[in-house]
Order: sequence, then structure tokens, then C-alpha cells
Amino acid sequence: AQSVTQPDIHITVSEGASLELRCNYSYGATPYLFWYVQSPGQGLQLLLKYFSGDTLVQGIKGFEAEFKRSQSSFNLRKPSVHWSDAAEYFCAVAGGNQAGTALIFGKGTTLSVSS
Amino acid sequence: GAVVSQHPSRVICKSGTSVKIECRSLDFQATTMFWYRQFPKKSLMLMATSNEGSKATYEQGVEKDKFLINHASLTLSTLTVTSAHPEDSSFYICSARDVRGSYNEQFFGPGTRLTVL
Repeated sequence: AQSVTQPDIHITVSEGASLELRCNYSYGATPYLFWYVQSPGQGLQLLLKYFSGDTLVQGIKGFEAEFKRSQSSFNLRKPSVHWSDAAEYFCAVAGGNQAGTALIFGKGTTLSVSS
Repeated sequence: GAVVSQHPSRVICKSGTSVKIECRSLDFQATTMFWYRQFPKKSLMLMATSNEGSKATYEQGVEKDKFLINHASLTLSTLTVTSAHPEDSSFYICSARDVRGSYNEQFFGPGTRLTVL
């Protein structure tokens, strides 16, 4: 069965420092992968997605992610974190052979930013 | 394009009452919508897949008689929580599949926070 693992429950980084949030997926075929961010009490905002093509994907707010098939990973990165990046981050994979199939979410990583 | 709305954004109700949550695709038609549930500080879990003109498909463990889903038109799916109890308090998020693009991607609504007293 498909699954998504986010190994880090909570990460704290200093403002201005770089960030990497880990995501590993389990899926037999080519996955459709997503990263979402959720601020407290808010809905989901799509940061970026990978469907095909270039394995390094650029997203909004200066985020990027790299799809590594050999490692079944889709880690999210940002070179310099801002205090406003503090939020919950979810990695997700489409559960079927289309991007529009129901998503399977990881448990999320809470990002705190220290000054 | 590809905007999905939910109404209401927040609802508080008394135990035993029913609550209806609407999910609308504003600028596209969606034959398929999904309903997810998020417990506090938890991840999102798929509850059911809503198909226009047919019965919803529920995930294992989701009570279909408690969470009634109706997808009566190509732009509207509703989730009714019947006889709500405090344990039904949660954040409910819908998404709608847009088949206009190459990947039939789904887009999420802003969510509805339900509090049952």
C-alpha cells in the first residue's frame, strides 16, 4: 500500500538558516508528489508538486524539492528560512495512477523558527 | 482558475444536531470530489470519495450513515454530519478534481472547522 513518511515530527531552525524537511514515499509506479504548508487554523497551501520531468522542482515562497527515485524521497528545501515560514508541512503522494486520485499524507513536520 | 470553496468556514453546534458542509468548485466542473478529516495536530485522512450522480465511496472505518455525502451537481458536494457528537469535532477539508489539465489534478478548499458542544 502507498504510504508517506515524514521522519521529523518537529524541527527548529534559526531565521536565515537553511532548511530541509524529509519525505519518503512508498509507491510502485511513478508517483505524483506534493508538499503543502498549513498555518495554524488555516487550510492547505500547495508549495510545489512533482508530476514528471525535471526532478528538481521549484515552488512558491522560495521552496524547492528534489525527487530521488532511487531513495524514494522528495525532500523539501529552502536556503534561508524566514520567521513567517513557521507552520506545519505535509508531504503527500497521489494514491493512484493520476495526480487527481485521493492523496495520502504524511504525518507532518512542525517547523519552528527561532530568532 | 481551479478554485474550490467551502461553506461554512466555521460552525459550532450542539450535540445531537446535524451539520451540512458544502464544497463547491467555482470555475470548473468536478465529477469527483474528496472529503478529508484532520484531527488537531494530526494529518489529513481521506474519509470518502464523492462522485457526481452516484453513491460516495467511503474509506474503511468511516460510518456512511453518520457522514452523508451528496454530490448532486458537477460543482457541489455536501457532507452532512448527522447527530453530531463532540468526537466529531474536527477540521473537514474537501478537494475537487479538475480534469481540464493534463494530470487531472485536485484542488483543496479552505476547510471547515466543526465544533460540537
